[in-house]
Amino acid sequence: EDQVTQSPEALRLQEGESSSLNCSYTVSGLRGLFWYRQDPGKGPEFLFTLYSAGEEKEKERLKATLTKKESFLHITAPKPEDSATYLCAVRTVPDNYGQNFVFGPGTRLSVLP
Amino acid sequence: DAGVIQSPRHEVTEMGQEVTLRCKPISGHDYLFWYRQTMMRGLELLIYFNNNVPIDDSGMPEDRFSAKMPNASFSTLKIQPSEPRDSAVYFCASTAAGVTPGSGNTIYFGEGSWLTVV
Repeated sequence: EDQVTQSPEALRLQEGESSSLNCSYTVSGLRGLFWYRQDPGKGPEFLFTLYSAGEEKEKERLKATLTKKESFLHITAPKPEDSATYLCAVRTVPDNYGQNFVFGPGTRLSVLP
Repeated sequence: DAGVIQSPRHEVTEMGQEVTLRCKPISGHDYLFWYRQTMMRGLELLIYFNNNVPIDDSGMPEDRFSAKMPNASFSTLKIQPSEPRDSAVYFCASTAAGVTPGSGNTIYFGEGSWLTVV
């Protein structure tokens, strides 16, 4: 069974304190790993897609990396507005966005001023 | 583009009442999904459609839940009768086919319908 876990469950940082969030996956064949940001009272908002080990994507203070077993979301010099829940999801079968698109439980990030 | 549009945003209803949630996917998207999110279970896929046809409803919790997609621009999720344990945020999402590596296709979510059953 395909599984996605995320750690830590919650993370509290001071403004400017860089850190990383982890997404570990056990899947039969990765066809894409996705990072989303979810603000309270909102739907998940797409951030990145990664397809192969060694791939990296960057957006402002965020950088996502991918290995064969996990992905990291690095946050450099975070600001309070980066506070949100960060979700990762994996797709394991081409042309299938249903049960083979599995979300992790998320990491709740709080950045204190 | 207006994005995925859901209604109502918030609903409070009494146990036993019928609840209907509505969704308009992004124009041109041929996949539509209904997810449920709770603190305990996170995001759970309930059902998804491809070209208006239900493909997999194995995530629908029980017969009280039903979903329809009468056309490419509208879908409903109905709960009848509702129970307090159905209280959750229900998300509709959509995406387009085209899954060659690097296509970047991802699932786009609506703002959710917050359901409280008392």
